[in-house]
Parts: sequence; C-alpha cells; structure tokens
Amino acid sequence: KQEVTQIPAALSVPEGENLVLNCSFTDSAIYNLQWFRQDPGKGLTSLLLIQSSQREQTSGRLNASLDKSSGRSTLYIAASQPGDSATYLCAPIKAAGNKLTFGGGTRVLVKP
Amino acid sequence: EAGVAQSPRYKIIEKRQSVAFWCNPISGHATLYWYQQILGQGPKLLIQFQNNGVVDDSQLPKDRFSAERLKGVDSTLKIQPAKLEDSAVYLCASSLVRGLNEQFFGPGTRLTVL
Repeated sequence: KQEVTQIPAALSVPEGENLVLNCSFTDSAIYNLQWFRQDPGKGLTSLLLIQSSQREQTSGRLNASLDKSSGRSTLYIAASQPGDSATYLCAPIKAAGNKLTFGGGTRVLVKP
Repeated sequence: EAGVAQSPRYKIIEKRQSVAFWCNPISGHATLYWYQQILGQGPKLLIQFQNNGVVDDSQLPKDRFSAERLKGVDSTLKIQPAKLEDSAVYLCASSLVRGLNEQFFGPGTRLTVL
C-alpha cells in the first residue's frame, strides 16, 4: 500500500524567499506524480504532472523534481509571493488505474 | 473549457439523515472520481468510474455510501444514514481516459454532520 509523506507540514516564510516542499512515497513503482495547490475552502488546482521518464518539470516559478528510485519528489517555488499562500499536495500515480494517493500536504504562508 | 461542477457547495445535516451530492465532469472526460477529504488530511479516493462502470470502490463504505454514474456523464454520491465522522469535503475529479492523464478537480462539497 502506497504511503505518502510531506515534510514540513507547515511553512512560513517572508516574501521573496524560495520555497522547498518535500514529498516521499514508499512504493517507487509509480508512473506519474502530480503536484496540486489547494486554497482554503476550495478544490485542488493541478500545478505540475511529472512522468516517470522525466526527472523534472517546470512551469513559471515552479519546478518539480522526481527521483523514483529513492521515492522522492521536491517542489521548488522561486521568489515566493503572498499569493503563493496555500496548501500544496503531492500525489504519486500507480500505473494501474490512474489512482492518486495523496500526502497530507504542506501548508504554506508567505508573509508580505 | 468549463471545469468540473459540483453541487451543493455546502450542506449541514443531522446524523442519521441522508444526503446526496452531484458532479458534472469536464465534457468528454470518460473517467470520474469521488474523493473524501477530512480536515487536515489529503483526499482519499472513494470510487472511480470509467464511463458508467465502476473501476475501483475498494475504499467506499458500502453499508452507507453509494454512487452512480448514469449514461457515463453526471454522477451522484449518496450517504444514508450519515454519521458524525462523515463530516468532510467531498471532491469530484475527472480525467480524459482511464490511464495516466491529469486529473481535474471540482470545488468540492463541504458536509457537516451534527
């Protein structure tokens, strides 16, 4: 059974600092890994999807890396802004059935 | 492109009552998912449909939860009777096909059971 851990559980940084969010998973037999953002009281917004054949994926200030063999993924957010305040969730995807298993998330607060 | 639609957005009921949630996926998306997200936790998959057939319902508490996806488009999730521990956000998601495609989520329905 896949278990996903996200560290830290919460993070508070001043505006402009770079953010590093960690995700580890126990079953490395994954196909993809997806990172999401969730604002309070809202649904999930997909940020990046990394295929297992890729080692990283970039979108604007966001960069996500994937190391399948060690069961780790890291989301980097450069030059953080108050608008980046949200909970960030990672979810590795097993090849069979497209089933996402979520971590508990990292709650980020970027202070102006 | 319209996103995943869900209703209602909020629902408050008393324990032992029944409740139903509705989801309309993105047009053309064959796969539909229902997740339960308890406060402070990540979402947990309850049931997955491929068109109108169930692919995975291994974590659905079948004694009280049921779901259907008639005609392979809209879906409803029902809880009967509700328990206090069912208080959560119920998220619907869809993806293009069953496989390895990106999942898109709706805004969720926040259920409070008193």
